Amino acid sequence: EVQLVQSGAEVKKPGESLKISCKGSGYYFNTYWIGWVRQMPGKGLEWMGIIYPGDSDTRYNPSFQGQVTISADKSVSTAYLQWGSLKASDTAMYYCVRPDSGYWGQGTLVTVSS
Amino acid sequence: QSALTQPASVSGSPGQSITISCTGTSSDIGGYNYVSWYQQHPGKAPKLMIYDVSKRPSGVSNRFSGSKSGNTASLTISGLQAEDEADYYCNSYTSSITWVFGGGTKLTVL
Repeated sequence: EVQLVQSGAEVKKPGESLKISCKGSGYYFNTYWIGWVRQMPGKGLEWMGIIYPGDSDTRYNPSFQGQVTISADKSVSTAYLQWGSLKASDTAMYYCVRPDSGYWGQGTLVTVSS
Repeated sequence: QSALTQPASVSGSPGQSITISCTGTSSDIGGYNYVSWYQQHPGKAPKLMIYDVSKRPSGVSNRFSGSKSGNTASLTISGLQAEDEADYYCNSYTSSITWVFGGGTKLTVL
């Protein structure tokens, strides 16, 4: 059974850094693109970017380029989404997704508040 | 990249059929047969309802169907039921080897 399991909810202060994770299982992690989706409170879904774990080829939505870093560690079948300096506007639910087949993680709620 | 265009809301009575449109460009919907549709209930993760324009995943009711014409994709729900009330998002592969969602449509079952 294919599963994407995300790390737990985070509460951070503006300016802090953060790295959330998404562990894939039940399939060969290296050969499927995996992406990150943002959903701000009460708003729609936005693709942030996608990564091919096999060679770390990464494509960013221009709106998120430079704002976040997407990475993957094949050895532990895990993808990551990272911020260097969080802002209050980063408060959202973040999902990892396998776009080829519609498998979604359960979501990670990130709250940024002073 | 711009979001695909969906109506903000649609409504229908139980038993009726509704169609949600999703308009893009030749660089996304019009260029590829990789359009999918997601259903999202409040507080839940999105659920795949249609993929590759018109295919249904196992377990999804055959009341849900998808189609495409040119740069516009459509999701049709027949025999509306109360449980269909949710937000619906279209999604398409794009020429920049990424993906793009529509803005979402809120379906109300009257």
